[in-house]
Amino acid sequence: GESVGLHLPTLSVQEGDNSIINCAYSNSASDYFIWYKQESGKGPQFIIDIRSNMDKRQGQRVTVLLNKTVKHLSLQIAATQPGDSAVYFCAERFGGFKTIFGAGTRLFVKA
Amino acid sequence: GAVVSQHPSWVICKSGTSVKIECRSLDFQATTMFWYRQFPKQSLMLMATSNEGSKATYEQGVEKDKFLINHASLTLSTLTVTSAHPEDSSFYICSARVAGENTQYFGPGTRLTVL
Repeated sequence: GESVGLHLPTLSVQEGDNSIINCAYSNSASDYFIWYKQESGKGPQFIIDIRSNMDKRQGQRVTVLLNKTVKHLSLQIAATQPGDSAVYFCAERFGGFKTIFGAGTRLFVKA
Repeated sequence: GAVVSQHPSWVICKSGTSVKIECRSLDFQATTMFWYRQFPKQSLMLMATSNEGSKATYEQGVEKDKFLINHASLTLSTLTVTSAHPEDSSFYICSARVAGENTQYFGPGTRLTVL
């Protein structure tokens, strides 16, 4: 079946550096994409979203880039902080409001 | 902001028993609720989608007779794991959506351990 996948299962960055988490998706019918952050033992927390008719969206310290040509999403975190350490999931929506999650990337921030 | 709660936050039960997990939208009415299951170090897997007042739509491979979902009101959905077995041990997470909005609001999850 179609799925959302990630290139890197883990990412380790130095505090203060920028982080880039990548995601590949395969469903060309997906019209909406979301990045979530999940800390251990908790539910996912919304970070930022982007519609398929956009290629970039910025939030506070985070930017999501969408490249529909190659079906690729990325999440950029500026000035990464220890509190950013978590697992990050990209998710895609298609077929109404069904949201499918990718495999996840664990981000480690070194002090 | 919109808050979704789950109860209980964790539960331990014996094999063969049934367990009910509640998902509530505290400050908004949720037309659609979703149930996910997450095994350790894995992603969230969508189990079913439920709309208030109608039968849930289950994903392929999810047994509807084993995972009973009831969405009787706009603020409450329940997931009952019937005749639970150790392989049902997992982290169950619900989310809720308001009609007309893109955002799903996630609950904190329920850790189920079946002995």
